[in-house]
Formats: sequence, C-alpha cells, structure tokens
Amino acid sequence: EAQVTQNPRYLITVTGKKLTVTCSQNMNHEYMSWYRQDPGLGLRQIYYSMNVEVTDKGDVPEGYKVSRKEKRNFPLILESPSPNQTSLYFCASSRTGFEQYFGPGTRLTVT
Amino acid sequence: AQTVTQSQPEMSVQEAETVTLSCTYDTSESNYYLFWYKQPPSRQMILVIRQEAYKQQNATENRFSVNFQKAAKSFSLKISDSQLGDTAMYFCASAQPGGGADGLTFGKGTHLIIQP
Repeated sequence: EAQVTQNPRYLITVTGKKLTVTCSQNMNHEYMSWYRQDPGLGLRQIYYSMNVEVTDKGDVPEGYKVSRKEKRNFPLILESPSPNQTSLYFCASSRTGFEQYFGPGTRLTVT
Repeated sequence: AQTVTQSQPEMSVQEAETVTLSCTYDTSESNYYLFWYKQPPSRQMILVIRQEAYKQQNATENRFSVNFQKAAKSFSLKISDSQLGDTAMYFCASAQPGGGADGLTFGKGTHLIIQP
C-alpha cells in the first residue's frame, strides 16, 4: 500500500530536549516536505527536499532541521524545542512537486 | 509568491443540501495546479479534487466539483447531496512547478458542518 508514515503520532516533551520525528514514504517520490498546522493559520511549509542531499527552507524554518540521506526518509529534528513549536506536524511526499500525499500527522506538545 | 484566501471560516448546512466553499488565489505563474483537501476529525489530509490551470473543463469527482474561473483567480468547491461524513475542515491549495517553498500554498481553511 502506497503511504507516508510518521512516528511518533503523539509526543509530549519538555523545553530544550532534542527530538526527532521520522517520516518515510514507499512511493519512490523525489519531493518531500514538512508542514506545521496551527489553528487559524492553515498549513505552513517548514522545509522541503527535492532529492537526496537537497533540502531548502520553507516559510517557517526557524528552530527546525532536516536531512535527506535516503530517498524514502526525511526526518524533522528539533534541537531545542520551545513551547511555540507545539503544533500538528505533517510530512508529505510528491512525485512531481504538485500533488502531495500526506502522512497521518504528529501531534507535538512542548511544555 | 503564491497566496490562497478562503473567506469563510465556518459553514453549516443540512444533510442532503448543496454547499459551495469559496477560494481565491494569486499567482504569477501560468502553469499551476489547484487542490481541495479535506481534513476530518482524524486530522488526516485527504485529497478531494485537483484542477490543472491549463484545463478549461472543471474537475469533478462524484459529489464534488469545482468552479474554476481562471481570469478571476477563483476556485470554489461544490459538494452536492452533502452527507454527515463530509463534516471536516476543507483547505484550498495551489502548487506551481518545481515544488519547494512555493510548491504548495494553503488557505486557512473552512470548517464545514453538516447538520442531520
């Protein structure tokens, strides 16, 4: 089954404790992205990758890191999480950069 | 840069009625795609319908259809014979070639409630 998976689905952590949210896709897509969703703001792109070892900033990259060492994986790293990073996070992948397939989301709470 | 505007934060209709969700967008590109995504309470983002800008014919998927007005940069979603399962947040989005920072831009969403 074609899918994008994210782990964990739910995470509660404390300020400053480094965390990684994993993302994996099995569709051999070149494009992958991370978004955050906040009430009243819709989805905003954090980082994107157009291929292995090629990543770039989206609209709200501050406080986040990504890496793309393999085509199927695109982890999101929060080196020092802060409460304003409490949000719902989505990973997405795309063959063309147009139509995107989303993972199930990760609900992150930073206290 | 692209922008997408959804002017209706919330709508409520009775089951079996037809409802139209509004979306306007702004882009300088001539080649782009438009999408409607549905987000039910499970929070999963589900693609409802897509429209290629170069196609004049409006896209249709079962009970869902769009009214694409390219000159007016308008892209509304019509849901016919609405069902309780249509209750969700609906996001309009635009995408242009190459992905990236301007690859997919979302509106702020419309919360649609279908009343029994």
